[in-house]
Amino acid sequence: GEDVEQSLFLSVREGDSSVINCTYTDSSSTYLYWYKQEPGAGLQLLTYIFSNMDMKQDQRLTVLLNKKDKHLSLRIADTQTGDSAIYFCAEILSGGYNKLIFGAGTRLAVHP
Amino acid sequence: EPEVTQTPSHQVTQMGQEVILRCVPISNHLYFYWYRQILGQKVEFLVSFYNNEISEKSEIFDDQFSVERPDGSNFTLKIRSTKLEDSAMYFCASRATSGRVTDTQYFGPGTRLTVL
Repeated sequence: GEDVEQSLFLSVREGDSSVINCTYTDSSSTYLYWYKQEPGAGLQLLTYIFSNMDMKQDQRLTVLLNKKDKHLSLRIADTQTGDSAIYFCAEILSGGYNKLIFGAGTRLAVHP
Repeated sequence: EPEVTQTPSHQVTQMGQEVILRCVPISNHLYFYWYRQILGQKVEFLVSFYNNEISEKSEIFDDQFSVERPDGSNFTLKIRSTKLEDSAMYFCASRATSGRVTDTQYFGPGTRLTVL
């Protein structure tokens, strides 16, 4: 079945790297996404990776995909206080009308 | 930058009452979605809507739920007789028209529904 799991909380020091992990169960995932939610705001797409890729880098963000282990991670380099938010991992399966299947979200807290 | 808007930001209602949650998608988008997040749980897909009809719905989206695009700009979610377990944050999303799976779903800020 479709399931996406994330750890619920991560605390890092400002300037350090953050790594948020996600696992999924459905091998028919075509695209995997990272969304960010700041307080009072909607879900903002950060980045996505196609399932035949291993890595994608976008400025401070690095996405790693291990398709064999069905493991996705988001690394934020030089984490800033403005990165404090909830980060959602999501997948789209092949077929269908592109509904997103989300994890529960990881709350990232950045402290000085 | 265009954005999806939702009203109200917070809705409090009594159990058994009808509620309508409103969304204004991005103007040139044709694919629309509702998701919800019960406090502390995952964001769950409810329904997708295209060409004035439901294209896919989840098991959550039972006969108590309906969606409508009444005037070409608003996209509404109606819950006919609310239950306590309907209390959640409801997110609307819209997507561009090219049909590529990489087209971003743009989300609104959500409506927090509290059923008493």
